[in-house]
Amino acid sequence: DTAVSQTPKYLVTQMGNDKSIKCEQNLGHDTMYWYKQDSKKFLKIMFSYNNKELIINETVPNRFSPKSPDKAHLNLHINSLELGDSAVYFCASSHNSGKSDTQYFGPGTRLTVL
Amino acid sequence: GNSVTQMEGPVTLSEEAFLTINCTYTATGYPSLFWYVQYPGEGLQLLLKATKADDKGSNKGFEATYRKETTSFHLEKGSVQVSDSAVYFCALGRGGGADGLTFGKGTHLIIQP
Repeated sequence: DTAVSQTPKYLVTQMGNDKSIKCEQNLGHDTMYWYKQDSKKFLKIMFSYNNKELIINETVPNRFSPKSPDKAHLNLHINSLELGDSAVYFCASSHNSGKSDTQYFGPGTRLTVL
Repeated sequence: GNSVTQMEGPVTLSEEAFLTINCTYTATGYPSLFWYVQYPGEGLQLLLKATKADDKGSNKGFEATYRKETTSFHLEKGSVQVSDSAVYFCALGRGGGADGLTFGKGTHLIIQP
């Protein structure tokens, strides 16, 4: 059973398009996250979502919006895609948002913007 | 702000060699410290963690000790295998959700037979 799953695994699209990446966790966790991994493998937090409270990293453009239909899902919607959005996006979840909580990562979605 | 610094590599070793990957951090308060591993084409997996000073995390022959006095969390393994080839990330967590995990830039480890 996959703990944290993401779809699609690969996404190739044109500049200016709008796309969504889906994330689901079956661990019963209360907190979910989105991270961006750039071409140099550097990982940076984009959002965290806990009990309907959204915390946004201030550096994330407002073209990116997370949407959570329920506790087990946190989807990422991206408007007006740009070349610089090309990256691998990872979803993660943890029991809650405590500092010692282990985060469990999904397999990643490789987004390529042409 | 929070930051994590680790050697970027690539680090190339022969099988059965001793491994050390250095990691130092800057943070306010008392963060938890983590090592994650990413195998090619996969997501990140927790390798080990330590939640307070002097704690030692260990898993699969890897160890790291939380050293508050040197703000370090170096990863070690006594005898590496080809299957250990991966990218290793040191990270810190302060909790509260706002920061998520703060990652180092990753160390690419290559083990040659």
